[in-house]
Amino acid sequence: DAMVIQNPRYQVTQFGKPVTLSCSQTLNHNVMYWYQQKSSQAPKLLFHYYDKDFNNEADTPDNFQSRRPNTSFCFLDIRSPGLGDAAMYLCATGSGGHEKLFFGSGTQLSVL
Amino acid sequence: SQKIEQNSEALNIQEGKTATLTCNYTNYSPAYLQWYRQDPGRGPVFLLLIRENEKEKRKERLKVTFDTTLKQSLFHITASQPADSATYLCALDAPSTGGFKTIFGAGTRLFVKA
Repeated sequence: DAMVIQNPRYQVTQFGKPVTLSCSQTLNHNVMYWYQQKSSQAPKLLFHYYDKDFNNEADTPDNFQSRRPNTSFCFLDIRSPGLGDAAMYLCATGSGGHEKLFFGSGTQLSVL
Repeated sequence: SQKIEQNSEALNIQEGKTATLTCNYTNYSPAYLQWYRQDPGRGPVFLLLIRENEKEKRKERLKVTFDTTLKQSLFHITASQPADSATYLCALDAPSTGGFKTIFGAGTRLFVKA
């Protein structure tokens, strides 16, 4: 039944060690988003894709990269995680109009 | 750039009362405004969407209003229940290359006491 699936739910990495978070969807939506959310803060948009068109937010650090190999999958790569990158990472999909977003359960990233 | 302001203080109410949460935005009026519920450690879940030409939208015990003059949306939960305890996020569309993107406020935490 899950429509937006994020793996893993919890990820622990070491300072500076690259990590990849994954997201898949069964909704066939053409828009996919990655948000970063820290405790008691707003989800902060990192990037989004309209189909294969990649849109990077101006304040997203270069340390964060994303890949969308096909409609169903999207990846978030953190090349050299710092302690400040510890957060919940949320993937969401949308149909491309002004409609609701469907979120995954998120990946809680810890950086040691 | 657009800013979304929600009351950062938690709202505590008694079961059965109406909860009212506020969302203010600072810049242009969006064409659409949405409300989401988020439980601890989970992703947000969509609740309601209201368009700029709609004054009010209802769904079961939920009601949303949208005042483009005040740049404000109010979110009401009537006959509140302890199960309504969660964080409620306001979201709106902002322009982006290729279309629109959705940006969020920090949310207001609601506690409903039995």
